[in-house]
Amino acid sequence: GAVVSQHPSWVICKSGTSVKIECRSLDFQATTMFWYRQFPKQSLMLMATSNEGSKATYEQGVEKDKFLINHASLTLSTLTVTSAHPEDSSFYICSGGLRGLTDTQYFGPGTRLTVL
Amino acid sequence: AQKVTQAQTEISVVEKEDVTLDCVYETRDTTYYLFWYKQPPSGELVFLIRRNSFDEQNEISGRYSWNFQKSTSSFNFTITASQVVDSAVYFCALSEVTGNQFYFGTGTSLTVIP
Repeated sequence: GAVVSQHPSWVICKSGTSVKIECRSLDFQATTMFWYRQFPKQSLMLMATSNEGSKATYEQGVEKDKFLINHASLTLSTLTVTSAHPEDSSFYICSGGLRGLTDTQYFGPGTRLTVL
Repeated sequence: AQKVTQAQTEISVVEKEDVTLDCVYETRDTTYYLFWYKQPPSGELVFLIRRNSFDEQNEISGRYSWNFQKSTSSFNFTITASQVVDSAVYFCALSEVTGNQFYFGTGTSLTVIP
């Protein structure tokens, strides 16, 4: 199957700093990328959907100014958590898919963010 | 309303026992896809199966089997002769053609006791 990588796999930062997480589709072109957040012992919650070259669509309750998503190319999407706070500590997972094909979504390994 | 319901939050079984994880879904689409993923402690989602709504055949893959019943909107997952390595959180997910996102259930945490 197609491979999606995430970098970094884990990050610890101080409160108030910004953190960037990269999501890359290694062997396919992901026209759509999804960002999920997963708190301990909870399910994955979709944060936003981004199509290459256009602005991301955020789910209700997700602050777009805090979670900046850029999907500038067909193989790279980035999520920047701005002015991170301890409550942003979570497991962030991205996935790549092909626009219009809902059965093809390939998940990255996740990034564990800890904000001190 | 929850589109995917996994009523079992936690299950513990003794090694070699069979275990069934339940998944009930809700959708108005006639075409949709159902998935099962395994999430071990490392966190990475491991794809197990995808089933489209037109294929109601049950599937067996080694110790894993899936029972898809459209009449009851269920897509249950059975592990036969469970092993300690099966310990993980298992997620059922639904993808609708009319949208473009996955709906995940709340997950079932399976612990296999040696």
